[in-house]
Amino acid sequence: AQTVTQSQPEMSVQEAETVTLSCTYDTSESDYYLFWYKQPPSRQMILVIRQEAYKQQNATENRFSVNFQKAAKSFSLKISDSQLGDAAMYFCALETSGSRLTFGEGTQLTVNP
Amino acid sequence: EAEVAQSPRYKITEKSQAVAFWCDPISGHATLYWYRQILGQGPELLVQFQDESVVDDSQLPKDRFSAERLKGVDSTLKIQPAELGDSAMYLCASGLFGRQRGELFFGEGSRLTVL
Repeated sequence: AQTVTQSQPEMSVQEAETVTLSCTYDTSESDYYLFWYKQPPSRQMILVIRQEAYKQQNATENRFSVNFQKAAKSFSLKISDSQLGDAAMYFCALETSGSRLTFGEGTQLTVNP
Repeated sequence: EAEVAQSPRYKITEKSQAVAFWCDPISGHATLYWYRQILGQGPELLVQFQDESVVDDSQLPKDRFSAERLKGVDSTLKIQPAELGDSAMYLCASGLFGRQRGELFFGEGSRLTVL
């Protein structure tokens, strides 16, 4: 069974500052993918960033980057230069064989002006 | 831009009534998922389709929930009878099986309130 744990139910950051959201996971599979999804209020969930487990290099997408620690089964998301539009619920997700995607409980991010 | 369409957006029903949700995935997406999301929690997979076949329905409460994707395109999720605990957001998502792994495209969801 796969599990994804997000230990921070809520986080806040000042506009233009940097924030890091934490995620840990557990799986017995060696081939898997990790993701961060963003769910803005009353809008659909969208993919923020993806990390393949076999890649050592951490993924980056503009202001978003991850710190993937495979041995520790840790996968944190760093948001640099935070913007008001970054305010949302963020979900860490794990995909294993069969394209099954398991989500964490989410972290509600507030961006203060 | 192609989107996943869901209807209805909102549904209020009384317990013991039947309710149905519809999803039209992005054209060409073979994989379709139904998730249930309770307010403040992460989505929980109910059922996964690959074309018209069910790949995973291990978390679907089959005594009251059913899902179908008859022609491998759009899908319907039904609840009969609805219970108070079914109040949640029902999310549909689609993706390209085998490629762009994990990049799911979500609809806006159908919010169910059971009274």
